[in-house]
Amino acid sequence: AQTVTQSQPEMSVQEAETVTLSCTYDTSENNYYLFWYKQPPSRQMILVIRQEAYKQQNATENRFSVNFQKAAKSFSLKISDSQLGDTAMYFCALARGNTGKLIFGQGTTLQVKP
Amino acid sequence: DTAVSQTPKYLVTQMGNDKSIKCEQNLGHDTMYWYKQDSKKFLKIMFSYNNKELIINETVPNRFSPKSPDKAHLNLHINSLELGDSAVYFCASSHRTSGRGNTGELFFGEGSRLTVL
Repeated sequence: AQTVTQSQPEMSVQEAETVTLSCTYDTSENNYYLFWYKQPPSRQMILVIRQEAYKQQNATENRFSVNFQKAAKSFSLKISDSQLGDTAMYFCALARGNTGKLIFGQGTTLQVKP
Repeated sequence: DTAVSQTPKYLVTQMGNDKSIKCEQNLGHDTMYWYKQDSKKFLKIMFSYNNKELIINETVPNRFSPKSPDKAHLNLHINSLELGDSAVYFCASSHRTSGRGNTGELFFGEGSRLTVL
């Protein structure tokens, strides 16, 4: 069975600071994708960043980067220069191949404080 | 233009009623999904259709019936609504077919909040 665990229910960070959200997962697959989705109060699910398991290089998207440790099955999200608009719930997710069946973690609520 | 649109966005109804949520995507994707987000914000897949064919059907009660008239539409009909059906239902779409720029990414709609009284 595939599982995704986010052990931090809530986090807070000061504006302009850096914060790291943790995620661990378990899968027996070799071909899989990992994602971080953001859900602001508006409820919309927005893709933040994605990582293919076969790529060793960590994905980056502007202020967002991941630390992908395949052997440890860890996929943390680092947000640099945090902005008030980053306040949201963040979900880590795992998909086997291109099935589109996402297994989500429990979510981490991030509060960016001015 | 909205990529994945769901209607209605809010739905309040009584136990025992039947209701439908509609979803349309204009991204040209070949696969659509329904996900359920419960009161604790936990998200779980319910169904997936690829080119109108059901490919994922999780352990969802028979009262839930998805219908895909074409690959751009995936509707969700719920019979005999129960209190536990109260949740936010998300429609999503993706390009699943190999060799066509599949990134594994799902594009979500804004969600439909269903409240059963």
